[in-house]
Parts: sequence; structure tokens; C-alpha cells
Amino acid sequence: KAGVTQTPRYLIKTRGQQVTLSCSPISGHRSVSWYQQTPGQGLQFLFEYFSETQRNKGNFPGRFSGRQFSNSRSEMNVSTLELGDSALYLCASSSLAGVNEQFFGPGTRLTVL
Amino acid sequence: GQQVMQIPQYQHVQEGEDFTTYCNSSTTLSNIQWYKQRPGGHPVFLIQLVKSGEVKKQKRLTFQFGEAKKNSSLHITATQTTDVGTYFCAGPRDGAGSYQLTFGKGTKLSVIP
Repeated sequence: KAGVTQTPRYLIKTRGQQVTLSCSPISGHRSVSWYQQTPGQGLQFLFEYFSETQRNKGNFPGRFSGRQFSNSRSEMNVSTLELGDSALYLCASSSLAGVNEQFFGPGTRLTVL
Repeated sequence: GQQVMQIPQYQHVQEGEDFTTYCNSSTTLSNIQWYKQRPGGHPVFLIQLVKSGEVKKQKRLTFQFGEAKKNSSLHITATQTTDVGTYFCAGPRDGAGSYQLTFGKGTKLSVIP
């Protein structure tokens, strides 16, 4: 099975712009979670989607949003970018069967200038 | 809210020495997971512990879940350079059987050859 894929792998944006990141989960996985990883804060949960519905949301401002499509692919959007949004954004999928192991993608490295 | 804390933040060991990282949750957990992230990589699932007092081994790695299900540890015997990376523990958000994970900030292991 192919792993979780994320595009793009790298992004450079300037303050005030918006960005959309994409995630394709492992085939058959219907749960997709997004995490922000920074050196200072570690891995922080953004949100989780299941069957096109957002089930959980972390403590991030409304500038961070996401969606999931019928094929389980997911996108997250960050509007009005700030310098502090520079981070590695990781997507993880899970089958939610048995052990809730999270399969992570390689991430998108976002740099905001 | 739920907090998962890990110590130490960094650990430098000589190759062949043992290594231990400790994880503590502010709430009782239904289970705890451990992940490893190699430098430049993404988190990869290692194991899940479910039962109070559970101990599991994977070759040189020994994982323990505390009796109160609020703490856990990962012990590596005779470290090798391939053990380099950051080790994260993660517990279900809100402590219950949620499918979302709260990650500790990780312990970054360096192995001096």
C-alpha cells in the first residue's frame, strides 16, 4: 500500500498570504488528522476529519481551516499568514480499526517571510 | 486541558550506553502510544500500551505503562547510532478513548559513536 502523501513538500510565502496544503491518506483510511510541528511547541493537533466531517479541533485560530473530500483526501488552509505559522505541517491517517496507529506523511515545510 | 509531559528534552549518550525517556500525563489514559522521528523525517509508530502495568519489548526497546495509567517509559539497552532521533509519547486527547492524540514534546536522543 502506498503511504500518506502530502503536497507540496516545501512552500515559501509572505505574511498576509494564504496557503493550501494537500494530503492523500493511505487507501481505505477514512480518518485524517493534521498536526503542526515546531521546535518550541512540538507536535500540536490542528483538526481531524472523518467521512468529510470535522470531528475534533485543536486550539488554533480560525485562520486555520480544513476539509475532507469524499475520497478521504484532505486539505488544510491557512489564511492571512503570520511569521509564527512557519512550521512543518504533518498529516496522519488512521483506519480506526484496532490500534489507532497514526500513519504520518512526510509533511509540508512552510516558511513565512 | 490534558497535558503530556516528557523528560528529558535532550539526551546525549555514548554508543552502547542505555537510554530512558519518561512520559507523564495529567489525566488517566486509556492507552499510550510511542513514536520515533528520525532527523528530517516524520513520526513513525512504535507501539501501543493499553493495560495497567503493561511491559512490552521490541528487541532492545522496553516500554512500560504505569499502574495508574498516567505515566510511561521507554528504555533502550545498549544504544546504537541507528537509535538517533526524537521519541514521542502520545495519549488520547481528553484521556478517554478518543481517536485524537496529545503528543509530548519528545526526547531527542543523540548517540556518540
